[in-house]
Amino acid sequence: KAGVTQTPRYLIKTRGQQVTLSCSPISGHRSVSWYQQTPGQGLQFLFEYFSETQRNKGNFPGRFSGRQFSNSRSEMNVSTLELGDSALYLCASSLAPGPANTGELFFGEGSRLTVL
Amino acid sequence: ILNVEQSPQSLHVQEGDSTNFTCSFPSSNFYALHWYRWETAKSPEALFVMTLNGDEKKKGRISATLNTKEGYSYLYIKGSQPEDSATYLCAFLLYGQNFVFGPGTRLSVLP
Repeated sequence: KAGVTQTPRYLIKTRGQQVTLSCSPISGHRSVSWYQQTPGQGLQFLFEYFSETQRNKGNFPGRFSGRQFSNSRSEMNVSTLELGDSALYLCASSLAPGPANTGELFFGEGSRLTVL
Repeated sequence: ILNVEQSPQSLHVQEGDSTNFTCSFPSSNFYALHWYRWETAKSPEALFVMTLNGDEKKKGRISATLNTKEGYSYLYIKGSQPEDSATYLCAFLLYGQNFVFGPGTRLSVLP
């Protein structure tokens, strides 16, 4: 069974540009969540989608947005990039979101964004 | 803002040593706690999903315990091997909310 696939794996952008990252969950998984990891920080929650609806959103500015398609694939977009947006962005899928589901998260390998 | 703490931040042990680390979380409105292992250049992988106070889980040489009343979980590794070198993350789930991850404990096992 294929795992969670994230594209692109690496990308370099300059300040002010925008970026779109893609995540394909494990087949049958309907919940997708996104996390940001910066040096010295734990995984910071960005948002979670289930059935094309955003269920939860983390404490990030409006420049960070996302969406989920009918096939459960998800994209996140960051507009007007800042140097501080340089990070590893991880996507995780699960069968269904909480509160009823306490099941494990399956992570992709991440997209490493560098903003110059 | 919920805070999940992990200690120590990092540790180095010799091959064969046993070790343990701690995850501390708010004890009220607990719903679940997960442990993940994150090896360099790979994606985090789930070790344990724990939901009940007093839960004890084991997978090979690795085990975990959960105390929801006092808000902590311990992860134990018996007879550490170099392949155990990784960052160990705990993640706390409140009912109806998203997972909150701790900063991780980075383990290095020296041969």
